[in-house]
Amino acid sequence: DSGVTQTPKHLITATGQRVTLRCSPRSGDLSVYWYQQSLDQGLQFLIQYYNGEERAKGNILERFSAQQFPDLHSELNLSSLELGDSALYFCASSDDPVGTQYFGPGTRLLVL
Amino acid sequence: AQTVTQSQPEMSVQEAETVTLSCTYDTSESDYYLFWYKQPPSRQMILVIRQEAYKQQNATENRFSVNFQKAAKSFSLKISDSQLGDAAMYFCAYERSRAAGNKLTFGGGTRVLVKP
Repeated sequence: DSGVTQTPKHLITATGQRVTLRCSPRSGDLSVYWYQQSLDQGLQFLIQYYNGEERAKGNILERFSAQQFPDLHSELNLSSLELGDSALYFCASSDDPVGTQYFGPGTRLLVL
Repeated sequence: AQTVTQSQPEMSVQEAETVTLSCTYDTSESDYYLFWYKQPPSRQMILVIRQEAYKQQNATENRFSVNFQKAAKSFSLKISDSQLGDAAMYFCAYERSRAAGNKLTFGGGTRVLVKP
């Protein structure tokens, strides 16, 4: 158990819908990262937050957005969902902007 | 942009034997970190080992060790005395250090099968 929690574990929804994935970092970690793992794209970095501020952006679609709240938990919002958004979404956290990243169990999203 | 390449899609090893997974990366940076993560069937991403580029000594964690060749941009993982629980996907990852923003760049993964 890494100490990073993600909810929900599974999510099934329809195209065009909007979902919110939630992540709680390890106690004391200020950095939160979001990754997408899909069969065709592999593991890809989406976005990083550090102490509430966006720190780095990767291949995140405009339909996707994220934020980190004062209590340091983070949410990833996915809207206008497409079939291709079906993937495993990981959250990771670290204790500083360049620290080792520890991953949560992931949220498996299936868009039908 | 940094790229990470794992040239072996799948490796098979007999229980108690040793297997070595290959990883090469491309970067113009001199200061960075390299990682191996394990992803078992549960899909959880588990950190196996970490190597700082400025350290010449190869990292070791119990039965896991790396061979870090900075000039060759090579970072292989050796699993000794393989156990059934080692069966998983293994991902090599690169991270710039002291960067304004951080991300892990992953290779495509190597599936390790352990035969009893």
